Amino acid sequence: DTAVSQTPKYLVTQMGNDKSIKCEQNLGHDTMYWYKQDSKKFLKIMFSYNNKELIINETVPNRFSPKSPDKAHLNLHINSLELGDSAVYFCASSQDPLRGVNEQFFGPGTRLTVL
Amino acid sequence: QKEVEQNSGPLSVPEGAIASLNCTYSDRVSQSFFWYRQYSGKSPELIMSIYSNGDKEDGRFTAQLNKASQYVSLLIRDSQPSDSATYLCAVESGGSYIPTFGRGTSLIVHP
Repeated sequence: DTAVSQTPKYLVTQMGNDKSIKCEQNLGHDTMYWYKQDSKKFLKIMFSYNNKELIINETVPNRFSPKSPDKAHLNLHINSLELGDSAVYFCASSQDPLRGVNEQFFGPGTRLTVL
Repeated sequence: QKEVEQNSGPLSVPEGAIASLNCTYSDRVSQSFFWYRQYSGKSPELIMSIYSNGDKEDGRFTAQLNKASQYVSLLIRDSQPSDSATYLCAVESGGSYIPTFGRGTSLIVHP
C-alpha cells in the first residue's frame, strides 16, 4: 500500500534516447509534482499539476513533457536525453496547497543515468 | 529570487546530545515552513511543518520559527545514530504551490 510510487527505480540509457517515468499516488491528493535532485543533492521543482491541470512549469527544457491522465497519475517524458539530465527524479503529491496544506509526500525516486 | 539557506555541514554530534539545525529564508511573505529528512539513497520524508511564530514539538523534534528574523530551526533531542541523515528545510509563500528547498544539512550522530 505504497502512497506514492514511481517506475522504474533505475534507468540507464544512451544520449539521444527518449524515456518515460511513471508516477502514481493513492493518497487522494489533488496536486502532484516532479522534482530533480542533482549530484549536489539540490532538490528543484520542475512541474506541478493540480487536478490534471498544469500549474507550475519552472525553467525546464521543453524536452521534458509531463502528462497527467488523471489526478492520481503524473508521468514525465524526456526526449533527446543529454548527459546533464542524469539525476534522481522524485515525484511527490500534496493534499491542498491552495489552502496551505502543502506537505509533500515523495515517491522513492528514479535514478536516471545518461551515458 | 527566493532563497533558502542552510549550512551544508556535516554537523557532528554525540549520541544523546541535542542537534540544532538552522535555516534562513529571503522571502518575507513566506507562510509555510517544513523540515524533511532524507537518508542516503532514499526520498525526503516530512518530519514537521510549522506555520506560526514560536515552537512546535513532536516527540524528540522541536521546530522553531521566527518570522521577524526570517529563520526556522529544528532541534533534535537525545540524538540517535539513526538520526544521521540530511535535513532539508523548505519554505513556501502563501498559495504559491511552490516549496523552495534549501540544500540540506548533513547530520552525523556518532555513538
